[in-house]
Amino acid sequence: GESVGLHLPTLSVQEGDNSIINCAYSNSASDYFIWYKQESGKGPQFIIDIRSNMDKRQGQRVTVLLNKTVKHLSLQIAATQPGDSAVYFCAAREGSYIPTFGRGTSLIVHP
Amino acid sequence: SQTIHQWPATLVQPVGSPLSLECTVEGTSNPNLYWYRQAAGRGLQLLFYSVGIGQISSEVPQNLSASRPQDRQFILSSKKLLLSDSGFYLCAWSVPPTAVRNTIYFGEGSWLTVV
Repeated sequence: GESVGLHLPTLSVQEGDNSIINCAYSNSASDYFIWYKQESGKGPQFIIDIRSNMDKRQGQRVTVLLNKTVKHLSLQIAATQPGDSAVYFCAAREGSYIPTFGRGTSLIVHP
Repeated sequence: SQTIHQWPATLVQPVGSPLSLECTVEGTSNPNLYWYRQAAGRGLQLLFYSVGIGQISSEVPQNLSASRPQDRQFILSSKKLLLSDSGFYLCAWSVPPTAVRNTIYFGEGSWLTVV
């Protein structure tokens, strides 16, 4: 089955810096990927998604990059703010299967 | 727009007592519905999912059960809680998986402490 993992459990950055959160997946047939943000005590919130026919997708201050060759995706957050402090999850889906979630990276933003 | 409501937000229950967590989705019809549990360490464990009324699939054998009495209502239950049932429970919904973008949207979660 699919396994999804993030490279670092914790990432600390300074306010204003760019943050990069990485995620690896195992199933080369995965065709849809999602990033979530989870603040303390709340449910995960959808941030951005990308289909496998794309390499890059941009949102507001966030960019997701997909490298299908090495089965890796990343979430880039520009000009990181204290409000970005949260746990970030990636998820990967193959076809109509339920997405598989990674364990999450905790982003800590220092003022 | 679609919204998902989950309640209660927190509860403390004694061992052996019953449990009922409820979830409703508004603004969509025939959604797929899910119950997840999130223990310390942040991993999301899929407990149950449903593709329609009365249709429940269980991912992990355990002390819990789920029911879907109405199209947009999903209930997580237990007859007798165990200490190990403590955790953060999340209800979620998505459009049917045949959709190209099958994002799962989560509720705010329910904190269960079994004492």
